[in-house]
Amino acid sequence: DVKVTQSSRYLVKRTGEKVFLECVQDMDHENMFWYRQDPGLGLRLIYFSYDVKMKEKGDIPEGYSVSREKKERFSLILESASTNQTSMYLCASSSRQPNEKLFFGSGTQLSVL
Amino acid sequence: SQQGEEDPQALSIQEGENATMNCSYKTSINNLQWYRQNSGRGLVHLILIRSNEREKHSGRLRVTLDTSKKSSSLLITASRAADTASYFCATRRTSGSRLTFGEGTQLTVNP
Repeated sequence: DVKVTQSSRYLVKRTGEKVFLECVQDMDHENMFWYRQDPGLGLRLIYFSYDVKMKEKGDIPEGYSVSREKKERFSLILESASTNQTSMYLCASSSRQPNEKLFFGSGTQLSVL
Repeated sequence: SQQGEEDPQALSIQEGENATMNCSYKTSINNLQWYRQNSGRGLVHLILIRSNEREKHSGRLRVTLDTSKKSSSLLITASRAADTASYFCATRRTSGSRLTFGEGTQLTVNP
């Protein structure tokens, strides 16, 4: 079975901490994405990457950065966590073929106190 | 702003009944996809329909697309308690562009 693995299901951090969310896919996909999901707001795209060392801003990149040093791994970084970054974070990947579907990880529920 | 908007926001039915969820969008699209999310988990792809298609089937799922009305519907026939989940539509405006998700419909199927 194809798999997108997020390193933590639940994470609790303090305001001001640097937070790393890791995502690994085993499908040799070129494209990787980070979304956050909040009640009433649906899924919003934070950052995405079409290739190693490539990154593109999504709709809400402020307060976040990303790293893609290897094809299979896409990391989301909260440089200085704030309470308004408490959310469910979802990683996804897809192949480069146009119109391909997304494969999602199970999500990381992050609470910033 | 979100491209897709699902309707209704919540739907509660009895096992065996059919469930219909609708999605409206604002701009022209290349394709529209439906995803399912079980509580607290990631999304799972259900079905993709292209802008030149009007209807697609997959098992108990039937998706229609009306590009003139900029709307799509997802029909789940003979629903089961295990179908309880949130269902999202996602649109892709042009080939290769990123997906934009709606806010989802919460479906509850009562045994």
